[in-house]
Amino acid sequence: NAGVTQTPKFQVLKTGQSMTLQCAQDMNHNSMYWYRQDPGMGLRLIYYSASEGTTDKGEVPNGYNVSRLNKREFSLRLESAAPSQTSVYFCASIGGGPFANEKLFFGSGTQLSVL
Amino acid sequence: EDQVTQSPEALRLQEGESSSLNCSYTVSGLRGLFWYRQDPGKGPEFLFTLYSAGEEKEKERLKATLTKKESFLHITAPKPEDSATYLCAVRGANSKLTFGKGITLSVRP
Repeated sequence: NAGVTQTPKFQVLKTGQSMTLQCAQDMNHNSMYWYRQDPGMGLRLIYYSASEGTTDKGEVPNGYNVSRLNKREFSLRLESAAPSQTSVYFCASIGGGPFANEKLFFGSGTQLSVL
Repeated sequence: EDQVTQSPEALRLQEGESSSLNCSYTVSGLRGLFWYRQDPGKGPEFLFTLYSAGEEKEKERLKATLTKKESFLHITAPKPEDSATYLCAVRGANSKLTFGKGITLSVRP
């Protein structure tokens, strides 16, 4: 059971370049999330997908787009990267009913630097 | 709007000195309150999920409790290896999952 697979692990971009972060889960989870983590800021929600076919903005959506390709995959795209998007990005997923013993599963993270 | 506030921002304890970390929250339709531990350079590590006021869960030196407005993570007789950042998050009725900024705990030997 692989859990949440997130790629790439590291990426360096120049200002204005575009890229897509890929995320896939094999646990049949309904909900998937993209977070960014900066020093002292905790995990800030960029976008989330409550279920297949839906996506919603989180706290910091500007400069990002997402696609819930199917139930397994949820990608994050930076159309024109800016230095302010230098961060560590985490994908996560969760599933189960409202009173199941759920937990949020995380990918291993992507260290992104925009020069 | 869902909000999670953790306090204090940082906490320094002597080994064996018990204390509590606070997580205050507002959320529409709580579908779970989560505690995670994160070590520098690593991803978050799951600790607990709580669902309803009055619920308590324990794991080794950690005990998590939940009320309608806040959650506490009690650390009993901490050891240096308990040093980490502790993250609290709430999941609302719309499945939005919001984290607080975290509490950095340092335990001195």
